[in-house]
Amino acid sequence: EVQLVESGGGLVQPGRSLRLSCAASGFTFDDYAMHWVRQAPGKGLEWVSGISWNSGSIGYADSVKGRFTISRDNAKNSLYLQMNSLRAEDTALYYCAKLWMGSPDAFDIWGQGTMVTVSS
Amino acid sequence: QSALTQPASVSGSPGQSITISCTGTSSDVGGYNYVSWYQQHPGKAPKLMIYDVSNRPSGVSNRFSGSKSGNTASLTISGLQAEDEADYYCSSYTSSSKGVFGTGTKVTVL
Repeated sequence: EVQLVESGGGLVQPGRSLRLSCAASGFTFDDYAMHWVRQAPGKGLEWVSGISWNSGSIGYADSVKGRFTISRDNAKNSLYLQMNSLRAEDTALYYCAKLWMGSPDAFDIWGQGTMVTVSS
Repeated sequence: QSALTQPASVSGSPGQSITISCTGTSSDVGGYNYVSWYQQHPGKAPKLMIYDVSNRPSGVSNRFSGSKSGNTASLTISGLQAEDEADYYCSSYTSSSKGVFGTGTKVTVL
């Protein structure tokens, strides 16, 4: 079964750091680009960051650039998001998503998400 | 990158057809044939319904169809069913290679 499972979320104080992980299974992980998408409570989807299959191409939303770092370990079939200098507005459910082969925009597999709450 | 513009809500009766619009710019929707649509039920992860403007992944009902004209893409749901009640989001490839989603549309089946 093709599956993405996120972990690492939790309650964190403003200014602190958190590292999210996403474990992939059921497909050849190193064939695909992977992305992080977040959704604040009651709000819409927001693209956060993406990484190519070989980590050669990386992108960030302006709202997180300079604070978040995406990475992957193909040997461990895992995707990561290091989040530093967290702000209240980073509070959201964070999804990892697999990019559809052949399309630069479509995410065909999503995890169930991990909740990050930034509050003092 | 500003979010793509969608109507906040669209409603229809069972069996009817509805259309959701997604308006961007020439740097995203209008510039590429890479628009996707997602369905999200409450408490669930998004599900890919349409990719590359008008293609359906395997397993998605043919009641869902996509199109594009200029800077506006559209998702049409025909033969509306109760299970179609959900939030819908568009997304597009962009000239900056950054992702962008639409503002989201709540579909209500009357």
